[in-house]
Amino acid sequence: KAGVTQTPRYLIKTRGQQVTLSCSPISGHRSVSWYQQTPGQGLQFLFEYFSETQRNKGNFPGRFSGRQFSNSRSEMNVSTLELGDSALYLCASSGDWTQETQYFGPGTRLLVL
Amino acid sequence: KQEVTQIPAALSVPEGENLVLNCSFTDSAIYNLQWFRQDPGKGLTSLLLIQSSQREQTSGRLNASLDKSSGRSTLYIAASQPGDSATYLCAVRKNTGFQKLVFGTGTRLLVSP
Repeated sequence: KAGVTQTPRYLIKTRGQQVTLSCSPISGHRSVSWYQQTPGQGLQFLFEYFSETQRNKGNFPGRFSGRQFSNSRSEMNVSTLELGDSALYLCASSGDWTQETQYFGPGTRLLVL
Repeated sequence: KQEVTQIPAALSVPEGENLVLNCSFTDSAIYNLQWFRQDPGKGLTSLLLIQSSQREQTSGRLNASLDKSSGRSTLYIAASQPGDSATYLCAVRKNTGFQKLVFGTGTRLLVSP
C-alpha cells in the first residue's frame, strides 16, 4: 500500500496570502488529522476529519480551516498568512474507530516571508 | 489539559550503548501511548504503540513500557547504532474514537560510530 502523501512538499508565500495544502491518506483510511510543527511549539494538533466531518479541532485561529472529500483526501487552508505560520505541516491517517496506529506523511514545509 | 514532557531533550552516546528515553504525562486518563521517530525534515514513523491496559511492547531492539498510574513511559533502545540517530517523540491519545494526539517535546538522539 502506498503511504500518506502530501503536496506540495515545499512552499514559499508572503504575508497576507493564502495557501492550500493537500493530504492523501492510505487507501481505505477514513480519518485524517493535521498537525503543525514548529521549533518553538513542537507538534500541535490542528483538526481531525472522519468521513468528511470535522470531529475535533485544536486551538488555532479561524484562519486555519480544512475539509475532507468523499475519497478521504483532505485539504487544509490558511488564509491571511502570518510569519508565525511558517512550519512543517503534517498529516496523519488511520482507519476507523478501532484503528490504533496513525501513519504520518512527509509533511509540507511552509515558509512565510 | 494534558501536558507531555520528555527527558532528556538531547542525548549523545557511542555506538553499542543501551539507552533509555523518558516520557511523562500529567493526565493518566489516556487511551494509548505511541512512540515515534522523526528524521530531520521528515515526517513521523511509528515505532511502538502501547494500549492503556498494557505494560510494555517490544519490537526488535526497542522496548517501550507504560506506567499509567504514575504518568510515565520509557523507550529502551538496545545496542544503539548510528542509524538510530533521530528525534524520538512520545504522544498520548485520550479518547477512543478521536485521533487527536498530544505530543511530547522530543528527545534528539545522536549515536556516534
